[in-house]
Amino acid sequence: QVTLRESGPALVKPTQTLTLTCTFSGFSVTTSGMCVAWIRQPPGKALEWLALVDWDDDNYYSTSLKTRLNISKDTSKNQVVLTMTNLDPVDTATYFCARIRYCTSGVHYFDLWGQGTLVTVSS
Amino acid sequence: SYVLTQPPSVSVAPGKTARITCGGNNIGSKNVHWYQEKPGQAPVLVVYDDSDRPSGIPERFSGSNSGNTATLTISRVEVGDEADYYCQVWDSSSDHPYVFGTGTKVTVL
Repeated sequence: QVTLRESGPALVKPTQTLTLTCTFSGFSVTTSGMCVAWIRQPPGKALEWLALVDWDDDNYYSTSLKTRLNISKDTSKNQVVLTMTNLDPVDTATYFCARIRYCTSGVHYFDLWGQGTLVTVSS
Repeated sequence: SYVLTQPPSVSVAPGKTARITCGGNNIGSKNVHWYQEKPGQAPVLVVYDDSDRPSGIPERFSGSNSGNTATLTISRVEVGDEADYYCQVWDSSSDHPYVFGTGTKVTVL
């Protein structure tokens, strides 16, 4: 069974750095064409794509947030980690990780998602 | 950046048909994907590449795309279909190439 699960702190103070972990099973992020992405959703608002890492270790970021984001993968642990620096209350959101199969072959939809983890930025 | 516009809400009676639109400039030239999101649950892909259904998604879910509007149609609506629905495209020229729509809340009356 293929699953993804997000984990991280529920509460972060402004200006701090957020580290989120996506732990997955049932697939390998080193399989050709595999990608894992992070997407967030502020309360009551729409989904927003943040970053993506592919099977070949190429990383892609939202242009508006790229200076604050870093995505990496730990293949030994089946994990993808997202760090976001200089947190602000507007970063309060549910953060999801999601998979794209065959992302390097022109596939651009997320076929599997985690349940998300709510992160609140507040002092 | 590319913008996708959805109606905030759609209400439908059980057994009837719900149609959710997703508007974007020449969206017919792009592949449109649709997700169902229920509170506290992982979003689920219900239609990809305009009109294809992933394994396990009922045939009641269908999609179309032409001109400036893509549409997700839910036939014979069930209470369990009540959820938020988001369209999504890939636009290489956008700040966020994976572009999501504004979302539509489907309420089953």
